[in-house]
Amino acid sequence: AQKVTQAQTEISVVEKEDVTLDCVYETRDTTYYLFWYKQPPSGELVFLIRRNSFDEQNEISGRYSWNFQKSTSSFNFTITASQVVDSAVYFCALSEANFNKFYFGSGTKLNVKP
Amino acid sequence: DSGVTQTPKHLITATGQRVTLRCSPRSGDLSVYWYQQSLDQGLQFLIQYYNGEERAKGNILERFSAQQFPDLHSELNLSSLELGDSALYFCASSVELAVSTDTQYFGPGTRLTVL
Repeated sequence: AQKVTQAQTEISVVEKEDVTLDCVYETRDTTYYLFWYKQPPSGELVFLIRRNSFDEQNEISGRYSWNFQKSTSSFNFTITASQVVDSAVYFCALSEANFNKFYFGSGTKLNVKP
Repeated sequence: DSGVTQTPKHLITATGQRVTLRCSPRSGDLSVYWYQQSLDQGLQFLIQYYNGEERAKGNILERFSAQQFPDLHSELNLSSLELGDSALYFCASSVELAVSTDTQYFGPGTRLTVL
């Protein structure tokens, strides 16, 4: 069965610190997709990234980077030089091939203090 | 503004009632996804439509149903409402997530309160 675990319920950092949000997943599928979403205090959901199971290259987008390691079934998210605007709940998710179903982690609340 | 609209923004109703939530996807997006976010269950995928056809069902209760119309807007119908159905319901749209450059865009959500 598919499962996504975000063991960190809440993390607090001071602005400009680097922070890594962990995501561990379980699946028996060989083809699957991993996602990260952001939910700021205003409540909307924002799609951040999608990675397929055949692409283990790390991805960097500005201050955001993602480390996908199939050997440890992890898809971790790092924010470099965090800013107050990064304060949000971040969700990791797994979908089956063809994006037919999605499985979400419980989310990690990130507090970035000035 | 994501370009995805959801109405109404807030809905307060009583147990046993039926409500309809509406979602208009971004222009050109063929896929619509419905999600439920509650304190108890967290974020859950409910159902997905692609170009009018149901594509996948997640943890959607039998009391809930959805459809996507020819103009691609979608409605989520919730009936025989229970207190536990109180949640934030999100809709998202995309062209086709199988395309590597595609993105999901989320609406602002409908907050449903069942009293």
